[in-house]
Amino acid sequence: DTGVSQDPRHKITKRGQNVTFRCDPISEHNRLYWYRQTLGQGPEFLTYFQNEAQLEKSRLLSDRFSAERPKGSFSTLEIQRTEQGDSAMYLCASSPGEGSYEQYFGPGTRLTVT
Amino acid sequence: AQTVTQSQPEMSVQEAETVTLSCTYDTSENNYYLFWYKQPPSRQMILVIRQEAYKQQNATENRFSVNFQKAAKSFSLKISDSQLGDTAMYFCAFMKHRGADGLTFGKGTHLIIQP
Repeated sequence: DTGVSQDPRHKITKRGQNVTFRCDPISEHNRLYWYRQTLGQGPEFLTYFQNEAQLEKSRLLSDRFSAERPKGSFSTLEIQRTEQGDSAMYLCASSPGEGSYEQYFGPGTRLTVT
Repeated sequence: AQTVTQSQPEMSVQEAETVTLSCTYDTSENNYYLFWYKQPPSRQMILVIRQEAYKQQNATENRFSVNFQKAAKSFSLKISDSQLGDTAMYFCAFMKHRGADGLTFGKGTHLIIQP
């Protein structure tokens, strides 16, 4: 069973550095979502792809955040010039699409900015 | 914008007891989905149960069932015969039809099952 996978699982970086996270969705899931989860909170939606098209990106936290899904398969989330406030768990989820909307989550990437 | 409220930050019950977790939401949408997700300590989010707003029948999945009251905008989760493995954070989540806005989560309820 190949569920949603994320890489790396943990990332420690210094303030001001750029980081990139990868998400591999469940095979044939055409929808892919990114969320951020801070301690003691529920996940917060960031962006959404249907195949390679980024259909919602207004909820990305700042212009330092960007995401891609170049071939409609894996996706990357990049944070430029990281700040301490970016420290959080970054979650990816995929969904089959039309007619089936439940989202399946990956294990997340925990980012610590020092 | 949608909001989801979970008013119970933490609950603790004995193994084998039944427990109900509360969730209310606010939306002007008529067509939407509601979910309960479970997040065990240091483990990934797992879908527990889903409910389509257009369905009047409450969803059930083995020991898990919901009480969906659309007019009251209430969506509670009942766990029967609770087990130690049910210990986790439980999140209630809302999604508009077609899902383009992602899931809106509540703050979660920490459920502890005592042996």
